[in-house]
Amino acid sequence: DGGITQSPKYLFRKEGQNVTLSCEQNLNHDAMYWYRQDPGQGLRLIYYSQIVNDFQKGDIAEGYSVSREKKESFPLTVTSAQKNPTAFYLCASSIVTGNMNTEAFFGQGTRLTVV
Amino acid sequence: RKEVEQDPGPFNVPEGATVAFNCTYSNSASQSFFWYRQDCRKEPKLLMSVYSSGNEDGRFTAQLNRASQYISLLIRDSKLSDSATYLCVVRVLTGGGNKLTFGTGTQLKVEL
Repeated sequence: DGGITQSPKYLFRKEGQNVTLSCEQNLNHDAMYWYRQDPGQGLRLIYYSQIVNDFQKGDIAEGYSVSREKKESFPLTVTSAQKNPTAFYLCASSIVTGNMNTEAFFGQGTRLTVV
Repeated sequence: RKEVEQDPGPFNVPEGATVAFNCTYSNSASQSFFWYRQDCRKEPKLLMSVYSSGNEDGRFTAQLNRASQYISLLIRDSKLSDSATYLCVVRVLTGGGNKLTFGTGTQLKVEL
């Protein structure tokens, strides 16, 4: 089955530790995205990438880092510099074509709790 | 000004009612538009794309007004199962690729 997989679903970390969230897709999508969602809030864009070895900062990139070494993988590292890391993290992917009306598909998300 | 703005609600409506949501966007270069639905503690899923001429899918109608920079979603004959958060999404082509920006979402509660 094609899809986008995030792991783990729940993650607990101690304050001050870096943590990496996994996002893998087998949809052959070029574009991938990371969002953060806080309770009762919308999705805020952290980073996005359209091609391998290239990525762009979103609206709230501080305290986060990403890599795009393979088309199918876009891991997100939450560093100790992120002041409020506890949140629901969502990864998405989409194709890139001349037709801009192509939807983004989401993984099931990772709930990160920092204690 | 936020790039994409929505009234957070909640909108509490009786079953069978018609309800409309609006969303405004600030970037006039925005190129495509979507409505997503998000159920509690789940990932967002596409409800419908929004086309320039407006489009309908069953009980749902989406419209785009580029001059005023807003999009709308109309839900007719509301069902209990329509209760969810509705997210307005705007895509802009930047130098680094396609940037997909979400609104904060509008919460809908359909009641008996």
